[in-house]
Amino acid sequence: GENVEQHPSTLSVQEGDSAVIKCTYSDSASNYFPWYKQELGKRPQLIIDIRSNVGEKKDQRIAVTLNKTAKHFSLHITETQPEDSAVYFCAAKNSGNTPLVFGKGTRLSVIA
Amino acid sequence: NAGVMQNPRHLVRRRGQEARLRCSPMKGHSHVYWYRQLPEEGLKFMVYLQKENIIDESGMPKERFSAEFPKEGPSILRIQQVVRGDSAAYFCASSPQAGWTDTQYFGPGTRLTVL
Repeated sequence: GENVEQHPSTLSVQEGDSAVIKCTYSDSASNYFPWYKQELGKRPQLIIDIRSNVGEKKDQRIAVTLNKTAKHFSLHITETQPEDSAVYFCAAKNSGNTPLVFGKGTRLSVIA
Repeated sequence: NAGVMQNPRHLVRRRGQEARLRCSPMKGHSHVYWYRQLPEEGLKFMVYLQKENIIDESGMPKERFSAEFPKEGPSILRIQQVVRGDSAAYFCASSPQAGWTDTQYFGPGTRLTVL
């Protein structure tokens, strides 16, 4: 089955700097890669997703890149703000009736 | 448009009791997924249901756990004879269409504490 590895587990950046979180997946059939943000005690919220027919997607300060050959995808947050502090999860799945498999999460701290 | 609803938000049970967690998907969504999250850990898939059908229960323990999504009413995750190791946050998510590639929206979770 699918296995998703996520790095780093914790990340501290200064306000205004960029943050990059990387994930690798094992199943070459995976074709959907969402990213969720979870604040303490709250629900995971989808912030961006990418499908395997594109290599990059941007939404304001957030971008995701996908390298199908290397089987890895990354989340990029530019001009970080304190409210970006949260745990970020990547996930992957294929188009069959298989589960969404999550990485273990990255705790991002943005220091003002 | 109300989001995914879960209740109760917090549930305290003593060892051996039953826990019943409810999930109402977003309006127009007919697919429900249950996940378990242990403290400081990721989300682990448990079960995927459509109305009146269990599609995939590969992540759900065979003993003590069951799930249903009846024709009317919310989806229910039931844990019988709870043990301390069942303490976790249980999230459900819903999606609108058939096929796992569709976006899943999460509810606020039920935090189960077993004393």
